[in-house]
Amino acid sequence: QVLLVESGGGVVQPGRSLRLSCAVSGFTFSSYGMHWVRQGPGQGLEWVALIWYDGSVKYYAESVKGRFTISRDNSQNTVYLQMSSLRAEDTAVYYCARDQGGSFYFDDWGRGTLVTVSS
Amino acid sequence: EIVMTQSPATLSVSPGERATLSCRASQHIGSNLVWYQQKPGQAPRLLIYGASTRATGIPARFSGSGSGTEFTLTISSLQSEDFAVYYCQQYNDWPPITFGQGTRLEIK
Repeated sequence: QVLLVESGGGVVQPGRSLRLSCAVSGFTFSSYGMHWVRQGPGQGLEWVALIWYDGSVKYYAESVKGRFTISRDNSQNTVYLQMSSLRAEDTAVYYCARDQGGSFYFDDWGRGTLVTVSS
Repeated sequence: EIVMTQSPATLSVSPGERATLSCRASQHIGSNLVWYQQKPGQAPRLLIYGASTRATGIPARFSGSGSGTEFTLTISSLQSEDFAVYYCQQYNDWPPITFGQGTRLEIK
């Protein structure tokens, strides 16, 4: 059974940093690309970042480029999202999602973790 | 960036009836389109990939069609559990991976 569990969300002041984690189980983590996707309050879905199965390639949405960093530890079956210089518009539920075999859509999702950026 | 536009924003349909949801891409994307269903408080669930192939465990009442720039998700006979928000997403040209803004399917 595929399981993805996000953690690390919370309330943070504008300009501060936060690191999200996504622990996975039930599949061979090191064989899959992983994404972060976010959803603002009452809003639609926004793709945030992608990391290749081996960590060698990373892509970011323009809205977070230079502020967010995606990484992974294949020995710990965990993907991370380091978020810095946070803004109010980064407030969202952040989901990690498994890439479907290099096709760049998402066949399994975590339940999400809420990040609120507020003073 | 490819812009995905869904219509209508909200669709009101009675249980047992057919629902037809549309998604348009700003550029040709072949069949590189997926549909997700999202219920309140839950993560999205993959329904359709490759524009028309149902994901594992998805009932046959869900069907997808289209290619190029125009796509349709049809739910043939609505069940109570089908009332949710539906998103399309293109994976032909990235980054970025882009979603439509969603169609809310509500009970009439």
